[in-house]
Amino acid sequence: DVVMTQSPDSLAVSLGERATINCKSSQSVLNISSSKNNLAWYQQEPGQPPKLLIYWASIREFGVPDRFSGSGSGTDFTLTISSLQAEDVALYYCQQYYTTPRTFGQGTKLEIK
Amino acid sequence: EVQLVESGGGLVQPGRSLKLSCAASGFNFGEYAMHWVRQAPGKGLEWVSSISWNSGTIDYADSVKGRFTVFRDNAKNSLFLQLNSLRTVDTALYYCAKAGCSFTACYINYWGQGTPVTVSS
Repeated sequence: DVVMTQSPDSLAVSLGERATINCKSSQSVLNISSSKNNLAWYQQEPGQPPKLLIYWASIREFGVPDRFSGSGSGTDFTLTISSLQAEDVALYYCQQYYTTPRTFGQGTKLEIK
Repeated sequence: EVQLVESGGGLVQPGRSLKLSCAASGFNFGEYAMHWVRQAPGKGLEWVSSISWNSGTIDYADSVKGRFTVFRDNAKNSLFLQLNSLRTVDTALYYCAKAGCSFTACYINYWGQGTPVTVSS
């Protein structure tokens, strides 16, 4: 199985500051034939289902604010929130969909400092 | 508007069975792969199963393989998960989720609200 490891487990950032969440896969999730990284980021607010933020590692889902961005390739990926807003308090998960099982990271809890 | 409405969850004894359903609307159901993902109380997300648009590709997590069966009825815009030989560790909120593609090696772009399954004697 591809193990997805997020860091940190929790993060406290001041409003307006940058938040960075990392995700490392135990093997590459880059599809050579498509040149796409099979990696997504989701946001889960308390009591709600997850919401897609980023797919193919760097494509922002329609309607997601442009302060959210994804980067990385191969085994190392980053979700960046450029200027933290109060409504960004949530759990964030990465997921690889390159192979089965389609594993998630353990989650990163983002709070306001 | 895409809507995914799960049903069928509940309290069940270990070893018994349950069938979850997901009614889809707001998109052409037959064109997209679908997933089941679960979340145990206070825990993270665990992918359970996926099925391609035409049921040609079906995959399961090792933890449920041989006990759970996923199937779909494109004519009725419905996804199902048959849960057999349930164990206490299967206790979770089960989400029905839509893929962004017809094949299963794809991100999830919509999630239902989930249906709770509690396995306890």
